[in-house]
Amino acid sequence: GAVVSQHPSWVICKSGTSVKIECRSLDFQATTMFWYRQFPKQSLMLMATSNEGSKATYEQGVEKDKFLINHASLTLSTLTVTSAHPEDSSFYICSARGAGGDITDTQYFGPGTRLTVL
Amino acid sequence: AQKITQTQPGMFVQEKEAVTLDCTYDTSDPSYGLFWYKQPSSGEMIFLIYQGSYDQQNATEGRYSLNFQKARKSANLVISASQLGDSAMYFCAMREGHNAGNMLTFGGGTRLMVKP
Repeated sequence: GAVVSQHPSWVICKSGTSVKIECRSLDFQATTMFWYRQFPKQSLMLMATSNEGSKATYEQGVEKDKFLINHASLTLSTLTVTSAHPEDSSFYICSARGAGGDITDTQYFGPGTRLTVL
Repeated sequence: AQKITQTQPGMFVQEKEAVTLDCTYDTSDPSYGLFWYKQPSSGEMIFLIYQGSYDQQNATEGRYSLNFQKARKSANLVISASQLGDSAMYFCAMREGHNAGNMLTFGGGTRLMVKP
């Protein structure tokens, strides 16, 4: 299957700082990338959908000014958690799908980034 | 209303036995796709199997098969000959036709534990 990478795999930061997480599709062009958040022992919650070259679409309840998403190229999307606070500590997972736009398209997931805000 | 429901928060299975993980879904869209993912303790989501709403046959991928019962709106995952490495969280997910370009909706997950 296709490969999606995420960097960093884990990060610890102080409250008030900003953290950037990168998501890359390594062997295919991802027109659409998704960012999910997962709390311990819970399911994945979609935060936003981003299409290359356009603004991200955020799910209800997700603050767009806090979680900045940039999808500048077909292989890279970034999520920046601005002014992070302890309640932002979570597991963030990105996923990507190709340009087919078909319902059968598999969504490939990155390995996730564990964010801990002190 | 929940679009994807996984009623088993946790399950045990003996090594080498088969196990069925339940998934029911709710949609009025005639075109949809159902996916199963495995999430080991490392956190990575691993794609296992896909079933389309118009597929006539149940999907199979190696030891994984999907028991698709459209009228009941269920898409249970069957793992045959369980292995210790199958211990993980398993998520059922759906993509609806009108959202063909968009997101998967996930169920709450089932934690499978394989006993030696």
